[in-house]
Amino acid sequence: AQSVTQPDIHITVSEGASLELRCNYSYGATPYLFWYVQSPGQGLQLLLKYFSGDTLVQGIKGFEAEFKRSQSSFNLRKPSVHWSDAAEYFCAVVGVTGGGNKLTFGTGTQLKVEL
Amino acid sequence: NAGVTQTPKFQVLKTGQSMTLQCAQDMNHNSMYWYRQDPGMGLRLIYYSASEGTTDKGEVPNGYNVSRLNKREFSLRLESAAPSQTSVYFCASSLKGEYRNEQFFGPGTRLTVL
Repeated sequence: AQSVTQPDIHITVSEGASLELRCNYSYGATPYLFWYVQSPGQGLQLLLKYFSGDTLVQGIKGFEAEFKRSQSSFNLRKPSVHWSDAAEYFCAVVGVTGGGNKLTFGTGTQLKVEL
Repeated sequence: NAGVTQTPKFQVLKTGQSMTLQCAQDMNHNSMYWYRQDPGMGLRLIYYSASEGTTDKGEVPNGYNVSRLNKREFSLRLESAAPSQTSVYFCASSLKGEYRNEQFFGPGTRLTVL
C-alpha cells in the first residue's frame, strides 16, 4: 500500500525567505503525486501535481515541486514566501488500483510566516 | 457555480445520536468522496462513489454509511455517534475516478461528539 511521510509538523519562515517542505512517498510503481494547501477553516486546494515527464512541476501561487525517484521525494518549494502563504500543506499520492481516485495524504506541515 | 457545498458547517452531538452530513456538487462530476481529518493524521478516506449508483469503502468506513442520492449529492450518515467520530469531515468530487482528475474539496463540517 502507498504511504506519504511529511517529516516536518511545523515550519516557521520569515516573509521573503525561501521555503522547502519535505515529502517522501512509498509506492511500488510510478507514483502520481500532489500538493494541496488548506487555509484556516477552508477546504483543500490543489497547488500542483506530478504524473510523468518533467520532474520539476510548476503550480499556482508561485509554488514548484521536484520529483526525485532516487530519493522517493516530492518536495515543495517557493523562492519567496508571502504572509498569505501561512496555511497547512498536504502531500498526497494516488493509488491507481482497480478504479477510483484514492488519495493517500501525509499528516501535513503547518507553515507559519513571520513578518 | 458554488463548487462543493457541505451542510452543516458545525454540529455537536451526544453519544448515540444519529445525523447525516450532506454534500452536493454542481460541477457535473462523476466521483465523490468523504474524508475525515484528525490532528496529526492528515485526511483519511471514509467512503467514495466512483459513479452514480456505486459506493465503496475507503480506509476508515466503520461506523459510517453513505448514500449517493443522485449525481450531485453524496451523504454521510452516522447511525450511533461515538466520541471517536469527533473530527472535521470533508466531501470532495472529481470528474471521473481516475488518477489524473483533480479532487475538489468542500469547506468541511466540524463535528463534536460528547
